[in-house]
Amino acid sequence: DAGVIQSPRHEVTEMGQEVTLRCKPISGHNSLFWYRQTMMRGLELLIYFNNNVPIDDSGMPEDRFSAKMPNASFSTLKIQPSEPRDSAVYFCASRFSSHEQFFGPGTRLTVL
Amino acid sequence: QKEVEQNSGPLSVPEGAIASLNCTYSDRVSQSFFWYRQYSGKSPELIMSIYSNGDKEDGRFTAQLNKASQYVSLLIRDSQPSDSATYLCAVTNDMRFGAGTRLTVKP
Repeated sequence: DAGVIQSPRHEVTEMGQEVTLRCKPISGHNSLFWYRQTMMRGLELLIYFNNNVPIDDSGMPEDRFSAKMPNASFSTLKIQPSEPRDSAVYFCASRFSSHEQFFGPGTRLTVL
Repeated sequence: QKEVEQNSGPLSVPEGAIASLNCTYSDRVSQSFFWYRQYSGKSPELIMSIYSNGDKEDGRFTAQLNKASQYVSLLIRDSQPSDSATYLCAVTNDMRFGAGTRLTVKP
């Protein structure tokens, strides 16, 4: 298996632009997690899905952030409009049931 | 809000010593506990998982769990410079992480 796939790996955009991050989980995994990592705040859980259904989105910073999982093999995290404080590394991770979680390589987002 | 706290770092140990990393959690119903290692610029990777009270050993790594005290730790024996990384603790089904402890092993 190719592991968790994220795209793009790097994104540089200007404040106010829409940003869409993409994730393909490992085949057969039924849970998907989106995290944001910064030096100041560490690894923050934004939202997670079980069987494509959002279970906990309490970590989503504000209404500018939205996440979808239209099917078992694809998820998106969208920021609209983006702000400089959104600059971070965004990780997607997946797992099967309560087993260990596998992380993707991350997307490094820079908002100018 | 469920909390996961890790001992503040950074932690520095000499090569060959034992490194001790600690984690406490607030959600008493937590059942799953994980230690991840993250090298600079890389994504976290799983080192150990533990589900029952007591010790679990895997090579130079030992995870210890005490559910009554809501405490989980990771011991690294015979520390090597290649162990230098940030270690992250994660608990329960929603996989919230602690802030991480940066470990440096000095040759």
